[in-house]
Amino acid sequence: QQQVKQSPQSLIVQKGGISIINCAYENTAFDYFPWYQQFPGKGPALLIAIRPDVSEKKEGRFTISFNKSAKQFSLHIMDSQPGDSATYFCAATPDSGAGSYQLTFGKGTKLSVIP
Amino acid sequence: GAGVSQSPSNKVTEKGKDVELRCDPISGHTALYWYRQSLGQGLEFLIYFQGNSAPDKSGLPSDRFSAERTGGSVSTLTIQRTQQEDSAVYLCASSLVDRSSYEQYFGPGTRLTVT
Repeated sequence: QQQVKQSPQSLIVQKGGISIINCAYENTAFDYFPWYQQFPGKGPALLIAIRPDVSEKKEGRFTISFNKSAKQFSLHIMDSQPGDSATYFCAATPDSGAGSYQLTFGKGTKLSVIP
Repeated sequence: GAGVSQSPSNKVTEKGKDVELRCDPISGHTALYWYRQSLGQGLEFLIYFQGNSAPDKSGLPSDRFSAERTGGSVSTLTIQRTQQEDSAVYLCASSLVDRSSYEQYFGPGTRLTVT
């Protein structure tokens, strides 16, 4: 089965620090890699996404780094804030062909940012 | 505008009973997805509807699970003869089908507890 492996399972970071979450995938057909943020009691919401034609994408304090040859991508949260405390999911999907609308999710990382 | 809504927000049922979960997608979104989120797990794809096309049911875990989408809008996920392992949060998402954007908008989910 297509998989996306996410680590760590949980992460504690001090306010102002850098949070780093890593994901690895197997399916070379994956062509779109979003990150979702989920607060307790809420559905996931798209945070930032990248396609493999670029190695990095930055939006505010959030950056995705992408390594196509290693089949890995990561989320960096700069200047982490207590309000960033949430569960983060990486995901991937093929751009075309079978299952191109199906997001395959990692198992999530629970981030806690302590003051 | 209104986001994806789901009802009920919580459902407790006895083992062996049938349950129906409802999803109202964002108006104008032609694609609708159901996912299951079990404790400590990522999101597991269940079923996908796109317009008038036959749904992709490849993620349904057993024949006790079924879903329909009426009039291209509201969807109902039905679980027959519920089992304790069906306890999870069931999430619905909708999206436009557009190659430039794969953003799926999630509802808040229905927490199902089977006793």
